[in-house]
Amino acid sequence: AQSVTQLDSQVPVFEEAPVELRCNYSSSVSVYLFWYVQYPNQGLQLLLKYLSGSTLVKSINGFEAEFNKSQTSFHLRKPSVHISDTAEYFCAVSEDGANNLFFGTGTRLTVIP
Amino acid sequence: DTGVSQNPRHKITKRGQNVTFRCDPISEHNRLYWYRQTLGQGPEFLTYFQNEAQLEKSRLLSDRFSAERPKGSFSTLEIQRTEQGDSAMYLCASEGGTGSYEQYFGPGTRLTVT
Repeated sequence: AQSVTQLDSQVPVFEEAPVELRCNYSSSVSVYLFWYVQYPNQGLQLLLKYLSGSTLVKSINGFEAEFNKSQTSFHLRKPSVHISDTAEYFCAVSEDGANNLFFGTGTRLTVIP
Repeated sequence: DTGVSQNPRHKITKRGQNVTFRCDPISEHNRLYWYRQTLGQGPEFLTYFQNEAQLEKSRLLSDRFSAERPKGSFSTLEIQRTEQGDSAMYLCASEGGTGSYEQYFGPGTRLTVT
């Protein structure tokens, strides 16, 4: 059975500092990986995804994530955060051929001015 | 706005009552999903439609839950004989089915069972 682990429930970081939000998954088959973001009082939005090809994927607002098959990880990184990045971030996995997403418990990123 | 919409946004009901939620997906998206999210948890998959066919149901979906998508457009999720444990945010998402694997989420319906 697949599962997603986000070990850090809360990550406070100062503005312009780098950040890494960790995500590990377990699955016995090929997976697709996603990061969703939920800004305060808004719905979930897709931030970036890995389906195949290059293991490094990037979003339009400076986030990137790298698929590491051997470590079954898909950590999210940003070299310099902004106040506007304050939000809850969810890692999700979908098994190849399946349609539903399995989500982690989320990491609340708080950017401190 | 052509995003996913859900109604109502909030619902307070007494234990034992029935409730129904509606989801309007993005136009022409043939895949529609329902998830449930409780405090401090990520969304949990409940059920999935491709057009009007309900193709998958989670074990979380007890007999008190039923979902429909009669014309392959909007969907409804009904909970009968609500229990306090049903209190949660119910999320709907739609996907174009073009191989993008991108699910677009609505704002959710927050259910409180008293």
